[in-house]
Amino acid sequence: QQQVKQSPQSLIVQKGGIPIINCAYENTAFDYFPWYQQFPGKGPALLIAIRPDVSEKKEGRFTISFNKSAKQFSLHIMDSQPGDSATYFCAAIRDSGGSNYKLTFGKGTLLTVNP
Amino acid sequence: DAGITQSPRYKITETGRQVTLMCHQTWSHSYMFWYRQDLGHGLRLIYYSAAADITDKGEVPDGYVVSRSKTENFPLTLESATRSQTSVYFCASRDALGTQYFGPGTRLLVL
Repeated sequence: QQQVKQSPQSLIVQKGGIPIINCAYENTAFDYFPWYQQFPGKGPALLIAIRPDVSEKKEGRFTISFNKSAKQFSLHIMDSQPGDSATYFCAAIRDSGGSNYKLTFGKGTLLTVNP
Repeated sequence: DAGITQSPRYKITETGRQVTLMCHQTWSHSYMFWYRQDLGHGLRLIYYSAAADITDKGEVPDGYVVSRSKTENFPLTLESATRSQTSVYFCASRDALGTQYFGPGTRLLVL
């Protein structure tokens, strides 16, 4: 049973475009939603994260939008650059305890930003 | 070197052989994790550990064994490697604020 569904699988945009990656979750006990960025040949690295008490969080050009009632969250990359080309994973966790801090990952989105 | 390291970075082995992947972290984080990454499946949790001598199964534990005799080390052993275990393996540790830090990965090919 996949608890976090991520779409699209791949995405190609032009430099300056605004790619949007969407995730939906099923478990209402999840209370922490991080996004990880992974470059080829590297391990994933935390990019930005949100808790369900806020509807939006911005860090630089990256924004998470969160819709608790719809159990959906999304990543927007403003003014995308070729250096943003990477695989992006959404994840969810019941961080308040009882889950042993096990992240549940989406299957990833391969983003390509063309010059 | 500070951080989380994995060795070897690349490994080719044959079906039926035992393989051990090493993971070392310098932060003294309590929680450590092993994931495998495969196309179409994303990252799947194999095993995790809450502290030294405390380990538990994740989503895909079959064919794998872990141990954690010291806080800083969390080796993953494939007891009898199979072709289906060809994958990229990532070790991670979790800090007190909830961030998981991943190692650089080990690419394993089982022939």
